[in-house]
Amino acid sequence: EDKVVQSPLSLVVHEGDTVTLNCSYEVTNFRSLLWYKQEKKAPTFLFMLTSSGIEKKSGRLSSILDKKELFSILNITATQTGDSAVYLCAVATGTASKLTFGTGTRLQVTL
Amino acid sequence: EAGVAQSPRYKIIEKRQSVAFWCNPISGHATLYWYQQILGQGPKLLIQFQNNGVVDDSQLPKDRFSAERLKGVDSTLKIQPAKLEDSAVYLCASSPGLVGTGELFFGEGSRLTVL
Repeated sequence: EDKVVQSPLSLVVHEGDTVTLNCSYEVTNFRSLLWYKQEKKAPTFLFMLTSSGIEKKSGRLSSILDKKELFSILNITATQTGDSAVYLCAVATGTASKLTFGTGTRLQVTL
Repeated sequence: EAGVAQSPRYKIIEKRQSVAFWCNPISGHATLYWYQQILGQGPKLLIQFQNNGVVDDSQLPKDRFSAERLKGVDSTLKIQPAKLEDSAVYLCASSPGLVGTGELFFGEGSRLTVL
């Protein structure tokens, strides 16, 4: 059974801090790893990673994949209260690209 | 561009009753997914359609859940009879092709409470 594990489960930081969220996986027929941000509504797409060692960056967010050690990290620098959300990691597998999600990391950014 | 539309947004029913959720994906998106998200957990895939064919329904509890995607466009997910543990948000998502080539676009979700 495909497994995606995220850590920590929850995190409280002060505005301006830098945070690192972790995602490890054990799956068959890996295709890609995706990060989503979920506030109170639907998850919204952040990044898709397919190759090891290539950093994807969008503003204060960045992510990298290590296919040898089977993990990915999501970094957020200079956090803002608007970054408060659940961050979901998902792995796409197989020819039909089935998506398996982790349980998420709940990030709270305080003033 | 219109997003993924879902209805109803909220539904409260008694156990053993039935309920149906509707999803209209983004126009032109071939792949449609139904996910179940229980509070505090990540979304779990229930069923994946490619056009009007089922690609994966291995985690769909087929004794009580059914889904269809007539004409390869909108889709309906039905639960009959509902159990307490079916209380969750049911998320519909779509993608232009297979998810490995791009991200999923999610609807707002339908929150089900079973009493």
